[in-house]
Amino acid sequence: DAGVTQSPTHLIKTRGQQVTLRCSPKSGHDTVSWYQQALGQGPQFIFQYYEEEERQRGNFPDRFSGHQFPNYSSELNVNALLLGDSALYLCASSLVGKGYTFGSGTRLTVV
Amino acid sequence: AQTVTQSQPEMSVQEAETVTLSCTYDTSESDYYLFWYKQPPSRQMILVIRQEAYKQQNATENRFSVNFQKAAKSFSLKISDSQLGDAAMYFCAYRGISNFGNEKLTFGTGTRLTIIP
Repeated sequence: DAGVTQSPTHLIKTRGQQVTLRCSPKSGHDTVSWYQQALGQGPQFIFQYYEEEERQRGNFPDRFSGHQFPNYSSELNVNALLLGDSALYLCASSLVGKGYTFGSGTRLTVV
Repeated sequence: AQTVTQSQPEMSVQEAETVTLSCTYDTSESDYYLFWYKQPPSRQMILVIRQEAYKQQNATENRFSVNFQKAAKSFSLKISDSQLGDAAMYFCAYRGISNFGNEKLTFGTGTRLTIIP
């Protein structure tokens, strides 16, 4: 049973560019959440998707957007990248009301 | 808004000994979940243990147990018989259950645990 798969594992982008990160949830899970983890910090909630809609959003600017597809996979898009967007981006999937399964993350470096 | 505080940035323990990691939180909700997650160098968050606030009994998972003090808003993790594989970052996390869909996790800043052979 595959767990949560994230791609790519590492990414280097230039300030001002746009980036798309991808997440395939654990089999049977229908909810996907995204977290940003800056170096030395705990993960911060970005947003959560359920039934292809954004259900809840954390304190992140509109430069951060997402999408969930009918097969429950999800994308996180970040526009106009800033140096401060450099972080580990974690995807977590779950069934409504159940526990999370996390992926291993995408390490984004903005130069 | 809920907050989670971990006041120990780093801890170390001798192999086979016992260590306790501290966590406090702040919330106005009466019912919620608390978690301890482990993050090894592989970066994946792994659930260690979970506690429902309405349960008075402290959760236990093999060598891992918690001391949940609801009135004090304290949630510590005890690791017994520490093993080299326990070395990782440990995060305390809170999740509310008062509203459908209110399932985001609020994390602390983490404690880096080192196991001394």
